[in-house]
Amino acid sequence: DVKVTQSSRYLVKRTGEKVFLECVQDMDHENMFWYRQDPGLGLRLIYFSYDVKMKEKGDIPEGYSVSREKKERFSLILESASTNQTSMYLCASSFFGQERRPQHFGDGTRLSIL
Amino acid sequence: KQEVTQIPAALSVPEGENLVLNCSFTDSAIYNLQWFRQDPGKGLTSLLLIQSSQREQTSGRLNASLDKSSGRSTLYIAASQPGDSATYLCAVRGQYGGATNKLIFGTGTLLAVQP
Repeated sequence: DVKVTQSSRYLVKRTGEKVFLECVQDMDHENMFWYRQDPGLGLRLIYFSYDVKMKEKGDIPEGYSVSREKKERFSLILESASTNQTSMYLCASSFFGQERRPQHFGDGTRLSIL
Repeated sequence: KQEVTQIPAALSVPEGENLVLNCSFTDSAIYNLQWFRQDPGKGLTSLLLIQSSQREQTSGRLNASLDKSSGRSTLYIAASQPGDSATYLCAVRGQYGGATNKLIFGTGTLLAVQP
């Protein structure tokens, strides 16, 4: 079974802090994704990566950056956290170019910025 | 720009009923459509994936159909059970998104099955 693991289920940080959210997958997937999920807005793509050291902006990249130094790990970085970044963050992974294969999701990190 | 809509936003049914969840999308140029389930406070679990060339997919009590030309998909749940209570999300992969499997999500339908 595919396992996508997010390092924290709940996280509380203060405004202005630098925040790291970590995601690890164990299926050798090329693609990895970071989404945020907000009531009434659904899931929105922040960044994705299709290879080590490769990244592309999603629909809402402002205020975020990412790092992919190893194939299995994809980190989301909030350079200077703000209260409007309080949200549920979901990581996902999938094979590259495999239209018949679904994305697999982690359990999410609920982040609160005070 | 692709937009995905799910109606209704919430649904409550008695146990044993058959039910249909709806998903519509504005751009018919899609590779595939996925239905996910999300339990409270959890991530998403993939239920069914329909390729653009397919009309339907079945898994147990679940059946998903796709009418690409009209921009619609339905998820049919037979003989609903309290354990089916969750939020159901549909997502489409655009035809021009390359091989990166980028998905556009609807906002979901919150289903409650009453015992």
